[in-house]
Amino acid sequence: AQSVSQHNHHVILSEAASLELGCNYSYGGTVNLFWYVQYPGQHLQLLLKYFSGDPLVKGIKGFEAEFIKSKFSFNLRKPSVQWSDTAEYFCAASFSGGYQKVTFGTGTKLQVIP
Amino acid sequence: NAGVMQNPRHLVRRRGQEARLRCSPMKGHSHVYWYRQLPEEGLKFMVYLQKENIIDESGMPKERFSAEFPKEGPSILRIQQVVRGDSAAYFCASSPDTNEQFFGPGTRLTVL
Repeated sequence: AQSVSQHNHHVILSEAASLELGCNYSYGGTVNLFWYVQYPGQHLQLLLKYFSGDPLVKGIKGFEAEFIKSKFSFNLRKPSVQWSDTAEYFCAASFSGGYQKVTFGTGTKLQVIP
Repeated sequence: NAGVMQNPRHLVRRRGQEARLRCSPMKGHSHVYWYRQLPEEGLKFMVYLQKENIIDESGMPKERFSAEFPKEGPSILRIQQVVRGDSAAYFCASSPDTNEQFFGPGTRLTVL
């Protein structure tokens, strides 16, 4: 079955530390990949997306993600986190089809300590 | 351009009552999606609608749940005879085509 996995459920970092959140998917065909962020009390916002082309995708607020097809992965990275990055991060994917029915991972709660 | 709007933001119902959740897509968006987020879980797809049509309802429970997106007005997710297990956050998303989805703030349903 098509699925998205996030293995880190809760991550705590100090400001300026580097961040990498893992995301894997299971599907052998064409996949579109997303990272969404949900700040406390706010709705989901798209951080970045990958549809095709350069597997290194840059998003908003200094985030980037790399699509590694051989590893079925789409990890999210940021070189130096800030307190304002405290939020929940969701990896998501849509699998080949005529529309974008999105499957979400369970989310990773990131807490950045000043 | 206002974002996706959902109301109410919080809804409390007693077991057996009906819950109606509304979603107004962004202007110009004709695709609407509903997702449910149970505690400690990711968002789960429920249903995808275009104006007046249900395209995919594979994620909807077979009973008590229904959705519509009429020609005029918001999309409605209706849950009849709610049970405690229906307590969750319900998110709506809209898109102008079949690519990026824009999410609303969600409706938190609590069933007492």
